[in-house]
Amino acid sequence: DGGITQSPKYLFRKEGQNVTLSCEQNLNHDAMYWYRQDPGQGLRLIYYSQIVNDFQKGDIAEGYSVSREKKESFPLTVTSAQKNPTAFYLCASSAGQGRTEAFFGQGTRLTVV
Amino acid sequence: AQKITQTQPGMFVQEKEAVTLDCTYDTSDQSYGLFWYKQPSSGEMIFLIYQGSYDEQNATEGRYSLNFQKARKSANLVISASQLGDSAMYFCAMREGGYSSASKIIFGSGTRLSIRP
Repeated sequence: DGGITQSPKYLFRKEGQNVTLSCEQNLNHDAMYWYRQDPGQGLRLIYYSQIVNDFQKGDIAEGYSVSREKKESFPLTVTSAQKNPTAFYLCASSAGQGRTEAFFGQGTRLTVV
Repeated sequence: AQKITQTQPGMFVQEKEAVTLDCTYDTSDQSYGLFWYKQPSSGEMIFLIYQGSYDEQNATEGRYSLNFQKARKSANLVISASQLGDSAMYFCAMREGGYSSASKIIFGSGTRLSIRP
């Protein structure tokens, strides 16, 4: 079945460590997105990518980095520069033509202790 | 600047009643798309309905309909005959550029809907 896979579902890290969240899609979508969600809040855009080897900052990119070396993959690194990294992270992808809603992964809940 | 506003943090509705969730948006683009998503307590994001800025008719998907008022820049979600399973967070979202994927998708702050039996 086609879809978006985020791993792991739960992730614990010590403060000061970088951590990379995985996002893989087999929907052949061009665009991919990373969002952060804090409890009871909406989704805030971290980074997005329209094509391979290209990506743009969203509204809250500071302390995060991404890469888009393959169409299927868009990993997100939460660096030690991110002041408050504990949150729920959602990855999404969308197609280029027609109905272009975003399809979401199951999310990764990151806890930094 | 692109912006989505949802002014209802929470709503309580009796089962089987209809409910309207408000969404207003701001964009300078003539071509854009509007979406509604449902997020149950599990955290997954479920796509509900889509409305393109050039669509002349309001979108409908089963019990969901989108009341699109372009001049007012509003895109309210209407759920008819609410069910207990409709209890969830609901998010309004927008992408500028219409049918192109070459633009970001932004979300509102959400409305928590609770259905009373």
